[in-house]
Formats: sequence, structure tokens, C-alpha cells
Amino acid sequence: AQSVTQPDIHITVSEGASLELRCNYSYGATPYLFWYVQSPGQGLQLLLKYFSGDTLVQGIKGFEAEFKRSQSSFNLRKPSVHWSDAAEYFCAVGRAGGGNKLTFGTGTQLKVEL
Amino acid sequence: DTGVSQNPRHKITKRGQNVTFRCDPISEHNRLYWYRQTLGQGPEFLTYFQNEAQLEKSRLLSDRFSAERPKGSFSTLEIQRTEQGDSAMYLCASSTGVVSRGNQPQHFGDGTRLSIL
Repeated sequence: AQSVTQPDIHITVSEGASLELRCNYSYGATPYLFWYVQSPGQGLQLLLKYFSGDTLVQGIKGFEAEFKRSQSSFNLRKPSVHWSDAAEYFCAVGRAGGGNKLTFGTGTQLKVEL
Repeated sequence: DTGVSQNPRHKITKRGQNVTFRCDPISEHNRLYWYRQTLGQGPEFLTYFQNEAQLEKSRLLSDRFSAERPKGSFSTLEIQRTEQGDSAMYLCASSTGVVSRGNQPQHFGDGTRLSIL
């Protein structure tokens, strides 16, 4: 069974500082990996995805993530955080082919201090 | 691209009542998913349609839950005899499912928040 672990429930960073959110997955084959962001009371917005190829993927809003198969990780990074980045971030894994059902982690709540 | 639309945005009902939610996917998307999200948790998969066929159902989807997508366009999720534990955000997502294009990411609506009194 596939699973996702996001070890950090809350993270606080200062505006302008760098950010790294951790994600570890468990999956028996090549995973399809995603990062989504959710603002309060809203749905999820896709930040970036990894299907295959280059292990460093670029997303929207200046975010990037690196797939490391040896560590079963897909960490999200941003060089300089903006106050508007405060939200909850979810890592998700999906299976190749078929229905692409997603399994999500429990999320990391990001707070940005001005 | 008008996005995934869900109605209503909020639903408050008494325990034991039936409720129905609607999801309108992005028009060219043939796959539609329902997820449930409780406070402090990530979304959990409930069920998935490809066109009008319901291809997978989670064990979370008890017999009080039923989902339909009769014409392969919009979908409804009905909960019968609601219970306190049904209080959650119900999210709908859609994606394309063209094999030649590989798996495509899911686009989510803003959800329907259900509160059971």
C-alpha cells in the first residue's frame, strides 16, 4: 500500500528566508509525486508534479522539488519565502496508469513571520 | 478552463438527514474523484469515475454513501442518515485520462464543508 509521511506538522519561517518541506513516500513501483497547497477554506492547488525524467522539478510560485529515489523523498523548496506563502502544504503519491488515486500526507502548516 | 465547481460550499444539517453534493468537473476531463478531508488531515480518497463508470470505491465509503456520474459530466455524492462523524470537507477533483498523455494531475474544487448538528 502506498503512504506518505510529512514529518513536520508546523513550520515557521521569516519572510525572505529559505524553505524546505519534507516528504517521504512508500510505494512499490515508480511513484507519481505531487505537491499541493491549500489556503483556509479552499481546495487544493497544484504546485508541481513529478512523473519521470529530471529529478528536479520546477513549479508555480517559485517552488521546486527534488525526487530522490534512494531516500524515498520528494522535498519541496523555495529560496525566499513571501508572506503570501503561508498555507498548508500537502505531498501526495499516485500510481502509474489506472485511476491515479492519490494518497496524501497529513500536511505541513507553514507560518511566515514578517 | 473554468475550474472544478462544487455546490453547495457549506451544508449544515441535523443528524439523520440525507444530503447531496454536486461537482462539475473541468469540461474536457473524463476522470472525476471524490475525497474527504477532516480537520488536521490530508484528503482521503473515496471514489473515482472514468466517464460514467465508477471504477473504484474506498472502504471509507460505507453503504450510506453513494456517488453517481450519470452522463459522464457532473457527479453527485449523497450521504444518507448522516452521522456526527460525517462532518468534513468533501473535495471533488478531475483530470484527463488519455493514455497517450500519461497520468495527468488532478485539479480540485473548493469543496463542500458539511457540518452535522
